[in-house]
Amino acid sequence: KAGVTQTPRYLIKTRGQQVTLSCSPISGHRSVSWYQQTPGQGLQFLFEYFSETQRNKGNFPGRFSGRQFSNSRSEMNVSTLELGDSALYLCASSLAGHPNTGELFFGEGSRLTVL
Amino acid sequence: GESVGLHLPTLSVQEGDNSIINCAYSNSASDYFIWYKQESGKGPQFIIDIRSNMDKRQGQRVTVLLNKTVKHLSLQIAATQPGDSAVYFCAESLGSQGNLIFGKGTKLSVKP
Repeated sequence: KAGVTQTPRYLIKTRGQQVTLSCSPISGHRSVSWYQQTPGQGLQFLFEYFSETQRNKGNFPGRFSGRQFSNSRSEMNVSTLELGDSALYLCASSLAGHPNTGELFFGEGSRLTVL
Repeated sequence: GESVGLHLPTLSVQEGDNSIINCAYSNSASDYFIWYKQESGKGPQFIIDIRSNMDKRQGQRVTVLLNKTVKHLSLQIAATQPGDSAVYFCAESLGSQGNLIFGKGTKLSVKP
């Protein structure tokens, strides 16, 4: 069974640009969550989607957005990139759609560098 | 590998010894806790979880202890192996919310 797949693995952008990251969850998983990981702030929750609906959102500015498609694949977008957006963006999927009821399976992340 | 923290607490142990990694969680109302392991260049990997109605749970070579009185969580790894070298994160969750709140992480270094 394939794990969570994130693309691209690495990318470099410049300030002001936008970026779209993609996540394919484990087959059968309907929940996808996104986390940002930085050395200073650690792992921080961005948002969670279940059946194409955003169910939960973290404390990030509106420049960070996401969506989920009918096949459960998810994308996140960051517009008007800032240097501080440089981070590892992790996607996690789960069957039940809630961390209290099921394990989150993480992908290997997309490493974004903003110059 | 992927950077997970420049100033992480580090625990260095000898191969074969037991390791204890500690975590203080933030919300007394949290009712679910998980330990994750993150190796360089990889995403976090589930190790073990525990619900707030328990104070101890055992897995294969790992034990999680929960002390709700002082909001403390610990992960014990028996007979630590070089492959256990990684950054370990605790995470908490509140039943009414659908996200995990992660701790800052502890880097475990196993000396052969």
